[in-house]
Parts: sequence; structure tokens; C-alpha cells
Amino acid sequence: DTGVSQNPRHKITKRGQNVTFRCDPISEHNRLYWYRQTLGQGPEFLTYFQNEAQLEKSRLLSDRFSAERPKGSFSTLEIQRTEQGDSAMYLCASSSQGSGTEAFFGQGTRLTVV
Amino acid sequence: GDSVTQMEGPVTLSEEAFLTINCTYTATGYPSLFWYVQYPGEGLQLLLKATKADDKGSNKGFEATYRKETTSFHLEKGSVQVSDSAVYFCALPNSGYSTLTFGKGTMLLVSP
Repeated sequence: DTGVSQNPRHKITKRGQNVTFRCDPISEHNRLYWYRQTLGQGPEFLTYFQNEAQLEKSRLLSDRFSAERPKGSFSTLEIQRTEQGDSAMYLCASSSQGSGTEAFFGQGTRLTVV
Repeated sequence: GDSVTQMEGPVTLSEEAFLTINCTYTATGYPSLFWYVQYPGEGLQLLLKATKADDKGSNKGFEATYRKETTSFHLEKGSVQVSDSAVYFCALPNSGYSTLTFGKGTMLLVSP
């Protein structure tokens, strides 16, 4: 396994457009997390899944954001009607249940909203 | 709520210098503590962890001791290398151990 994979690596979009990011976790991991990282800040938690169930969402996850993990494998994060403030690095991580938060991170998708 | 405070960077050192990156935390109880590292162009990687008070985590020559008296988890390395240049994040889990709260990160730049 090559680790956590995120696509695309970079995305430039115009304000108001919708964007979707994909994350493929390590295959045997049943937990999947999304974080957002802005310049000069540490990653901030957005949401996490255990298998296909979305168990926790941060207050940072506004109504314009939606995440899915339909078959308990890959996940998508969609942002509708993007705003300039959405410009950030979106990080995905995965872990095995019982490993606490020893998560393995992908390289991230950098979103720029112009 | 739980929080992590790290010293601001960048920290600029010459090769073979001693490194300390300060991290203090605020939390209920005594959670595990982590240091993650982000090398240029790569994802976050777990560097080391400590699961209880007075534990010392170590990896790749880096060490950090969990000190509940001072609520600190400072990262140290006796002799840094150019390849250690990266951003270092201190982190702690939430009470349910379902996610992490990260510090803002400290950039380390090591010159030959």
C-alpha cells in the first residue's frame, strides 16, 4: 500500500464554483479524517468517519461543506459556492480503530479560490 | 477547551546544533501527547508520542518528555542535521480520542 492518497493535489477555482476532493485511505484503515490547514496555522479538524458513518463534525464545517464515505473506503469532500476564505490545504488522514489518533496523513489538496 | 501552544518560528540553526522546540498544553486529565513533522512537499508524519505523565517519547534522535507539573512536552534533539528542516507540530487528542488539536507549528531551518 502506498499510503493515503489525495486528489487533486492542487485546485484553483473561481469564487462561487463547487469543488470536490477525493481521499483514498490506507486500505485496512476504517477511520478517515478531514482537516483544513491555512498558512501559518496547524491543521484544524473538520470531520471523521468510522467505516461509512460520519461520527463527528466540527463547527468549522459550514452548510456549504459536505463529506461522504459511501462504501467505507474512499471519501469525498465537496465545497459548494466556494469563497475566498475557503482557500487552504485540505488534509485527509486514516487510522485503524483502536489506534487512537495515530493517523497517517496524505499530502493534501491545496485549494485556491480566486 | 483543550489547546496547544508552540513557540513561534522559524528556528534557524547550524548543523550539529542543539534543538529545543517548546510546547505547552491545556487539557482535562492527562491525554497522550504527540509530535508530528511535515517535511517540504510531504504529508504530516507522526514523529513521537508519550501516553502518560513522565513518559519520554523518542524517534530519529528526537526526544520529548511528558511533564504534567509544567504541562509541557518540549521537543529536543542533540545534534540537528540539514535533513531535519521541516515544520514540527505538537498535538493532543480530544477526550474521545477521535481527533487531534494541533499547535500552529514551528518551522526549523538547518543550514550546513
